[in-house]
Formats: sequence, C-alpha cells, structure tokens
Amino acid sequence: DQQVKQNSPSLSVQEGRISILNCDYTNSMFDYFLWYKKYPAEGPTFLISISSIKDKNEDGRFTVFLNKSAKHLSLHIVPSQPGDSAVYFCAASAQGGSEKLVFGKGTKLTVNP
Amino acid sequence: KAGVTQTPRYLIKTRGQQVTLSCSPISGHRSVSWYQQTPGQGLQFLFEYFSETQRNKGNFPGRFSGRQFSNSRSEMNVSTLELGDSALYLCASSFVLAGADTQYFGPGTRLTVL
Repeated sequence: DQQVKQNSPSLSVQEGRISILNCDYTNSMFDYFLWYKKYPAEGPTFLISISSIKDKNEDGRFTVFLNKSAKHLSLHIVPSQPGDSAVYFCAASAQGGSEKLVFGKGTKLTVNP
Repeated sequence: KAGVTQTPRYLIKTRGQQVTLSCSPISGHRSVSWYQQTPGQGLQFLFEYFSETQRNKGNFPGRFSGRQFSNSRSEMNVSTLELGDSALYLCASSFVLAGADTQYFGPGTRLTVL
C-alpha cells in the first residue's frame, strides 16, 4: 500500500523556468511532510519541510505547498538551475513523529541548459 | 561536525551468506534509521532505533535485523542473502525521532548479491 505517491517518475524543464514536483498521500494522519533531493552515488539531503498547520513554506528558490483537503503537496523550484537535476523524494510522517517516515518513489528532475 | 558515515561502501556477497552493515550517526544524534533503495521502489523503511531501542519497523522479513549501541552507532544484518536483496542501503540519523526531525543520510552501502 503506497501511502505516499509521486506519480511522475521523471520531469524535464528548461533552465530558468519553474519546476513543479507533485506528491499525493492517502493517510489523513500525516502531519509532517518533507522533500529530499538525491544525487547519484550520494545519500539524500534534506530540502524543505512543512507542518500540517501551514499551507506554504518557502526557502529561497524552493516553495512547498500543502493542500490537506486534496491530500496533495507540491514542490516549486523557481528559477530552475541545471544543478537542481536530481531525484526528489517526498516523505511524510504521522503522530508528531512517533510513526515511521514514509517516502515516495521519487521523481527524477532534469533541468536542461 | 562529521556527517553520517557508512561502512563498507561496496559489498559483494553470494546467495545464502550473511552481511553486516555499519552506520555511525552525527555526533549527538540518537535516532538511526535504515532504508533500502532499489530502482523504481524509492526508499523503503527498514527500521529505526532510538536510544538503543527499536522504535519502528518496516515490512521486511525477519532476515533483516538491526541494533544500536550505547554510542548510537548502529549495525544492520541480513542473513541468508537473496538476489533480491541487492540494493543501496542507506542509514540516516536525527537528533529526535526521524518522523519529527530532519534526517541526515549517509552515502549508503551498495550491496550486490550474486
């Protein structure tokens, strides 16, 4: 049962444009969401997070939006840069962190120069 | 601060053997989680240890086990290896429980089972 779904395995955008990565979840108990970025041959690195009490969180070029009614979150990268090319994982947890962190399968983003 | 370290980085084993992977968390972090990454499956949670106690466990067979020591270092063991166990095994540490904190990942151990 895939509780966190990233339905697009890959996404390709032009440098300078917006990248939008999507994530859907099924567990209404999830209350904390994170995005991680992974380059080949490296472990994932934390990008940005959002608590269920908020609907938006920004950090520089990265913004995460949360739509609780639709059980959907998205990561916007503006402007996209070639160095952003990586696999992006969405993750979620419940019960204030006492439950395990559940990851999606990832979306491979390619930013073309 | 030193990051999360995992040893070994690469490992080749044959079916039926067992393997032990090691993870040293960031100093001061008490939570260590283990994940299996295979192509197309994302990061699948194996287990989480916090202060030497297993707090959460994923849906993996009993051949996968782990432990955490008093210095927060953790080991993961896989017995009776199968071809399907070939994967990248990632360890991550956090100060508090993984679900409530930013996790810092190690570079992973690439296990190949022949």
